[in-house]
Amino acid sequence: RKEVEQDPGPFNVPEGATVAFNCTYSNSASQSFFWYRQDCRKEPKLLMSVYSSGNEDGRFTAQLNRASQYISLLIRDSKLSDSATYLCVVTGGGYNKLIFGAGTRLAVHP
Amino acid sequence: GAVVSQHPSRVICKSGTSVKIECRSLDFQATTMFWYRQFPKKSLMLMATSNEGSKATYEQGVEKDKFLINHASLTLSTLTVTSAHPEDSSFYICSASAGDSNQPQHFGDGTRLSIL
Repeated sequence: RKEVEQDPGPFNVPEGATVAFNCTYSNSASQSFFWYRQDCRKEPKLLMSVYSSGNEDGRFTAQLNRASQYISLLIRDSKLSDSATYLCVVTGGGYNKLIFGAGTRLAVHP
Repeated sequence: GAVVSQHPSRVICKSGTSVKIECRSLDFQATTMFWYRQFPKKSLMLMATSNEGSKATYEQGVEKDKFLINHASLTLSTLTVTSAHPEDSSFYICSASAGDSNQPQHFGDGTRLSIL
């Protein structure tokens, strides 16, 4: 079983749509959780951290359910510029080790 | 924000060549640097973790004699792919962190390596 599992997509949505991505992780000892965004052939960029209480940053809302080992990302009012691959990332092991999911691809069309 | 510079951004070379990739933290001291590899449509996979002044810790399945990592200063780490072969063609990305597990990782912009 992969340590971090995501639906690869692609999710094809019109501008203005609301879209949700889910992610599950296998290591119950993971302490930190993130969503990264990766554009084609570029490095990943931190989108937001994820907290148990849930957190929101503009159009983006992230949720963490530790009991179910489940993380979600909700994007409201999708923009064309949101088209990218969204990576679910958890920490595991020492030295701040990040474990990446394979990503969920989002394509927003006019 | 913190900046991590990676060089070169693109390498194309013949099989058997050794390739060195540099990762520099430009505005902070990177106690820990990480090297990742990403094949097309796959996850970033951690190859190794290096702490300044000590030997790198390699992930299972990563050959330490093939992927040489040097982290001689708090601002520079290098990855050398020795005697590269076509199957080593990939996107190599470094990241740097200022210290403990609460410090975020800042990613370089990656090196696309193509071995012919």
